[in-house]
Amino acid sequence: DQQVKQNSPSLSVQEGRISILNCDYTNSMFDYFLWYKKYPAEGPTFLISISSIKDKNEDGRFTVFLNKSAKHLSLHIVPSQPGDSAVYFCAASQGGKLIFGQGTELSVKP
Amino acid sequence: NAGVTQTPKFQVLKTGQSMTLQCAQDMNHEYMSWYRQDPGMGLRLIHYSVGAGITDQGEVPNGYNVSRSTTEDFPLRLLSAAPSQTSVYFCASSYSAYNEQFFGPGTRLTVL
Repeated sequence: DQQVKQNSPSLSVQEGRISILNCDYTNSMFDYFLWYKKYPAEGPTFLISISSIKDKNEDGRFTVFLNKSAKHLSLHIVPSQPGDSAVYFCAASQGGKLIFGQGTELSVKP
Repeated sequence: NAGVTQTPKFQVLKTGQSMTLQCAQDMNHEYMSWYRQDPGMGLRLIHYSVGAGITDQGEVPNGYNVSRSTTEDFPLRLLSAAPSQTSVYFCASSYSAYNEQFFGPGTRLTVL
């Protein structure tokens, strides 16, 4: 039973356009959500996070939205750049223990 | 400031062998954790530690042991390797359980 799901294994976007990555969760006790970016043969790197008491958090080109009633969060990247091409993982935290989604591979085409 | 370091980068074991994956951080982080990543899956928590002398189990702890004798080091032990433990292993650390975690570069382990 997967508590955190990323239903799109891949996403292709044109450079300069918006990338929207989605994540659904089932456990209403999660108190903190994070997005990580991962390049091949490297460890994940932290991108942005959001507390369960907020519905939006912005950091430069990256915005995370949280819809608690739908148990859904999304990551918006505007504008998308070729260097954004990577695998993106959402993660949910309960008491500091992270549960990760399966990842979405983003490809940004020039 | 090296961040989170892991050794070795690659390892091949035979079924039944034991080994220790090393993890160290120089950021004075209290929280450290081990994950494994398998194809098509996200990272799954194996064990974690909220400080020296304190460890606890994650989602998939079977077949793995940990200890935390210092703040800096958090080794992961495989007592009797099995092919199902073939995976990429990541160590991570953070200031506390409620802060973003910094990940090491990973150890790719193959068990034959």
